[in-house]
This record gives sequence, structure tokens and C-alpha cells, in this order.
Amino acid sequence: NAGVTQTPKFQVLKTGQSMTLQCAQDMNHNSMYWYRQDPGMGLRLIYYSASEGTTDKGEVPNGYNVSRLNKREFSLRLESAAPSQTSVYFCASSPPREVYGYTFGSGTRLTVV
Amino acid sequence: DQQVKQNSPSLSVQEGRISILNCDYTNSMFDYFLWYKKYPAEGPTFLISISSIKDKNEDGRFTVFLNKSAKHLSLHIVPSQPGDSAVYFCAASAPWSSNTGKLIFGQGTTLQVKP
Repeated sequence: NAGVTQTPKFQVLKTGQSMTLQCAQDMNHNSMYWYRQDPGMGLRLIYYSASEGTTDKGEVPNGYNVSRLNKREFSLRLESAAPSQTSVYFCASSPPREVYGYTFGSGTRLTVV
Repeated sequence: DQQVKQNSPSLSVQEGRISILNCDYTNSMFDYFLWYKKYPAEGPTFLISISSIKDKNEDGRFTVFLNKSAKHLSLHIVPSQPGDSAVYFCAASAPWSSNTGKLIFGQGTTLQVKP
């Protein structure tokens, strides 16, 4: 089915470990996003990519890096995980001018111990 | 600073009654507003939207009202059903994000509809 696929769905990391969250979309969308969801904070933008080859910081980029590998894939990397990065991470994609809403993946629940 | 605010973390209503979810924003340049619905263990899904040139948009049981002078929008669900129980996020976009479609989200309101 068309949509946004995120892997993994769950992950537990130790402080200082690194990992990459993967995201792929098959809707030919130009823009892709990484958000984190925390209680009482809503959805906060970490990084976004308006098109293949471009990435920009969002509201909470510290501690993260991203790669827009091609039009389909947008990965999020934690180089040295910290407990403050315990969160649910959502990837989303959209057409160039958002009108009908993003399409979100089902999320990655990350726990850093 | 939170540019989009949902000040009520939770709301509980009886099945069949009206649910009203509220959202306030601070930036008068926002020109498009959306509501998303999120069930546990799933990603948010688009529910309804409204352009700043309108003050109301209706889609079945869902109606969004926009009051630009008060920088306030609300989502009305009539009648509420138990399947509407979810977290609802308000979101806004601005003309300067026209190339990216970037949205700014509120904190979310958890709606519980009791049978």
C-alpha cells in the first residue's frame, strides 16, 4: 500500500550508542520531515527536506543528523543517544505546497537508558 | 515560544453529544490550518482543514471554525462517537513555507467519548 514506511518500530539504546531511523515514501512527494512527539509538547519538527539534496533544521535539531538519500528516503541519525532523546519519532511526507495534509508513518518508539 | 497552542490536554464527552476542541495561534501570518487525528501506536492522519480566507469548513460530522481576529480555531464533532476517541492535533502553515509545506503543530488534546 502507498504511504510512509518507518523502521524500526521499537528500539532501546544505551546512552552513547548510535542508530539510524529509516523512512521511505512511495507517493513521489518532494518534501519529507522528521518529528518527535513528547507528552505535553505535541509534535516538534527536528529536520525537514524540501526536495532531494536539501535538508534544513527544524525546531529541535540538536543531537540529530539527517540524510535525504534520494526522493524516496529520508533517514534520521542519532550519533550519541541521550535519555532526553527518548521519544516517539514520526516521519512524514507531503507535496510541495501542503494543502491536504501530511502523510505520516506509524512511528518509532525509542527509549534511551 | 509555542506558536500553536492547545490549552486543554484532555476532553471527555458522552456519546451523541458535541465535542469542541480548541486551538489558539500567535502568528497572524498563518494562512492555512489543519486538524489531525491520532490513534495509539499509529501516525497522525489528516482530518479537516481550513484556509484563512474562510471562517468555516464542514465535512460530515466535523466542522472547523476560524476566528482570525481572535487567532482561534475550533473543531466541532457532532455527534461524537466512541471511535472518535483519539488525540487531536491542530496545525498551521505560513506562506513562507510554501516550498516545503512545513507545518507547526499544537500540543494535542486527548478526546475520550464515553458510550
